[in-house]
Amino acid sequence: EIVLTQSPATLSLSPGERATLSCRASQSVRSYLAWYQQKPGQAPRLLIYDASYRATGIPARFSGSGSETDFTLTINTLEPEDFAVYYCQQRSDWPRTFGQGTKLEI
Amino acid sequence: QVQLVQSGGEVKKPGASVKVSCRASGDTSSSYAITWVRQAPGHGLEWLGWISAENGNTKYLQKLQDRVTMTTDTSTRTVYMELRSLRSDDTAVYYCAASGIKGYVTYWGQGTPVTVSS
Repeated sequence: EIVLTQSPATLSLSPGERATLSCRASQSVRSYLAWYQQKPGQAPRLLIYDASYRATGIPARFSGSGSETDFTLTINTLEPEDFAVYYCQQRSDWPRTFGQGTKLEI
Repeated sequence: QVQLVQSGGEVKKPGASVKVSCRASGDTSSSYAITWVRQAPGHGLEWLGWISAENGNTKYLQKLQDRVTMTTDTSTRTVYMELRSLRSDDTAVYYCAASGIKGYVTYWGQGTPVTVSS
């Protein structure tokens, strides 16, 4: 199975700053990678699909990049509501694995 | 838009089985697919499996292959996930989610807490 490794595990920043989250795959997933945001007590929400496309309704401060094995989620000008846990997931192969998550905290 | 409504929380003893339902409504088509994901307390997301509502094809996480079964009732647009021989480490919130954009999981149910305890 494809292992997704996210870094860092925890990222401490302040509103207004830029966040850069990484996801590395154990083998190529081409561009079949998504990013999800999860807040406490809520289901995850799709932010980015196919590595770089924003899902419907996602603000432009969220952007994704990368291909093959290295991917980045960038959040420009952090808003208070952006502090949450972020997961990457691949749909290149079965099982559709998730990364272990990055907690973005104030 | 697709809405997913899951069955309520369950408390089970070790060795028992649990069956969680997930009913879809809204802009579904016969070709929608449902993914099951779980999240143990304080842990991340774990992909459990996938079922095509169109033809019932399934894919399961290998380590659960012998204990999990996903089925679909097309007449009620309900998908079921049964997990057998429950253990304490199966304690988690179980989510169903429907594929949307380019096959990515897009729409999520509210989650069903399952507690396994003697």
